[in-house]
Amino acid sequence: SAVISQKPSRDICQRGTSLTIQCQVDSQVTMMFWYRQQPGQSLTLIATANQGSEATYESGFVIDKFPISRPNLTFSTLTVSNMSPEDSSIYLCSVVEGTQYFGPGTRLLVL
Amino acid sequence: AQKVTQAQTEISVVEKEDVTLDCVYETRDTTYYLFWYKQPPSGELVFLIRRNSFDEQNEISGRYSWNFQKSTSSFNFTITASQVVDSAVYFCALRATVGNAGNMLTFGGGTRLMVKP
Repeated sequence: SAVISQKPSRDICQRGTSLTIQCQVDSQVTMMFWYRQQPGQSLTLIATANQGSEATYESGFVIDKFPISRPNLTFSTLTVSNMSPEDSSIYLCSVVEGTQYFGPGTRLLVL
Repeated sequence: AQKVTQAQTEISVVEKEDVTLDCVYETRDTTYYLFWYKQPPSGELVFLIRRNSFDEQNEISGRYSWNFQKSTSSFNFTITASQVVDSAVYFCALRATVGNAGNMLTFGGGTRLMVKP
């Protein structure tokens, strides 16, 4: 099974600032996914990140707010831009390798 | 469109009781995958099982068992002799195997299980 790490594991940020979350996988994968889990809620897909092409965003998520990079087959970043308290969530990176695995998540609190 | 419904938002049991978590799904796809994940208080999402839509055999893994009923579009999860460490939020999820939807997991709302000593 894929081993996924995320940095940072948690952060507290001021509104109006941006945070970049890193996701590292121990094997090469074609697609990486970014999910958001708002407090007490289920998981929602933000975007799919393919290496060498622009990320594909789901309805309700835009590139200006959540820019994504995918420089190689083992790494991706998600930036949460111009944050507001409504962005307080757990952000999870995910890959498909046989089944679908998730990173440990980044807990973000925006004050 | 795909949809996963976990009607039980919260269940509370006493240790050693058996508990079943319900999952009902909707999809137009003929082939798809169903998943269960556990999310303990620490927040990580732990993979429990994946089931292909063609495989309707029930599965047992230790105290865990899964009942897949394609006729009723249900994929229920039973924990036998529950333990305090089973306390977590459990998510059922669906993934189609074709088209753009094949990239995406659709999650149910989750069921919070509390096992009391």
